[in-house]
Amino acid sequence: ETGVTQSPTHLIKTRGQQVTLRCSSQSGHNTVSWYQQALGQGPQFIFQYYREEENGRGNFPPRFSGLQFPNYSSELNVNALELDDSALYLCASSLRATTNEKLFFGSGTQLSVL
Amino acid sequence: AQSVSQHNHHVILSEAASLELGCNYSYGGTVNLFWYVQYPGQHLQLLLKYFSGDPLVKGIKGFEAEFIKSKFSFNLRKPSVQWSDTAEYFCAVNARAAGTALIFGKGTTLSVSS
Repeated sequence: ETGVTQSPTHLIKTRGQQVTLRCSSQSGHNTVSWYQQALGQGPQFIFQYYREEENGRGNFPPRFSGLQFPNYSSELNVNALELDDSALYLCASSLRATTNEKLFFGSGTQLSVL
Repeated sequence: AQSVSQHNHHVILSEAASLELGCNYSYGGTVNLFWYVQYPGQHLQLLLKYFSGDPLVKGIKGFEAEFIKSKFSFNLRKPSVQWSDTAEYFCAVNARAAGTALIFGKGTTLSVSS
């Protein structure tokens, strides 16, 4: 068990809508990364937040945005949802924002876009 | 662009058989290498990692992996698998110069029969 919790567990939205996913990081961790995992694929890096600032971004359009709060919890926001956004969204926290850091993953939010 | 290839989509073994899961990456610079595992109903968790030193690294539950720089490979091995090793295994690479993002392979599902 990790101390990373994500909410909600499942979500169904329609095309064009907006969604907010939430993540509470493990105690003592100041870095949160978000990944998208499509069916049959490995997780794909969306972005990372370190001490409330974006610290790296993958190949995702600007309609994917995030926030990190002073308590290091985080949100992932997706605007103008598309069918291809249907996936499992994983949050991972780490002690530091270094390149060889161990990630602690949550159980994910399963998003379905109809 | 960096990429990670895992050669086997699904591996089926009997208990006590030896395991080797292949992982190759495409990136010419310095890398950190990881294997993550997801047991049924659980979160993704770190199995082992390499970032410098001895290219043969040992992880939890008797797993090991060998980094062969000339082959751009980081294969996972276990001499004798157990039923409890049934899980999905992901190889991941971090290109240090590109920041903290992990690039994951598509994963290998390992099924061990007792």
